[in-house]
Amino acid sequence: GNSVTQMEGPVTLSEEAFLTINCTYTATGYPSLFWYVQYPGEGLQLLLKATKADDKGSNKGFEATYRKETTSFHLEKGSVQVSDSAVYFCALSGLYNQGGKLIFGQGTELSVKP
Amino acid sequence: DSGVTQTPKHLITATGQRVTLRCSPRSGDLSVYWYQQSLDQGLQFLIQYYNGEERAKGNILERFSAQQFPDLHSELNLSSLELGDSALYFCASSVGAGAGTGELFFGEGSRLTVL
Repeated sequence: GNSVTQMEGPVTLSEEAFLTINCTYTATGYPSLFWYVQYPGEGLQLLLKATKADDKGSNKGFEATYRKETTSFHLEKGSVQVSDSAVYFCALSGLYNQGGKLIFGQGTELSVKP
Repeated sequence: DSGVTQTPKHLITATGQRVTLRCSPRSGDLSVYWYQQSLDQGLQFLIQYYNGEERAKGNILERFSAQQFPDLHSELNLSSLELGDSALYFCASSVGAGAGTGELFFGEGSRLTVL
């Protein structure tokens, strides 16, 4: 079936460290891929997206490239800040006859220490 | 602020009871989605409505039902509640019905505790 797998958390980093959160997917067809972020006590909000192979999504210093050959969409940031502490969700959508729903990974909690 | 409004924010009830969660989508959005977030299951898609019609269905229990009204707000009804139904229930909305390229806007969630 269609699914998303993320690296397990929590991930703890020092401020200004490099971040990678791995995400791989299984899907029939050609999904769109997303990263959503959930700050404490809030709903999810879109961080970035890519709709076709080799597209790079970017926002707020975060980047992810849609790699069809490795079915991956890893999230990276060159220098994290304390304010980046949140739970990050990888997701896919756009599958045939699936409406507009997003299928989420299990989430990766990031904690950035000063 | 995403523009999606959910009520109530918190709800505590007993096993066997029935509750209704309410969602008002962003102005102009025709689709409403319901998700359940729990520690052991993660974010699970329940159901999607588009302009009043059911569009996609996930692992929604038979004890749960939803509808979208003509003014586009939606309600999720949970009945015969069990302890395992304790979770955070999110509503999200989007402009279109599918295609996968549109962004979903999430509310802040309704936290249900079943005692």
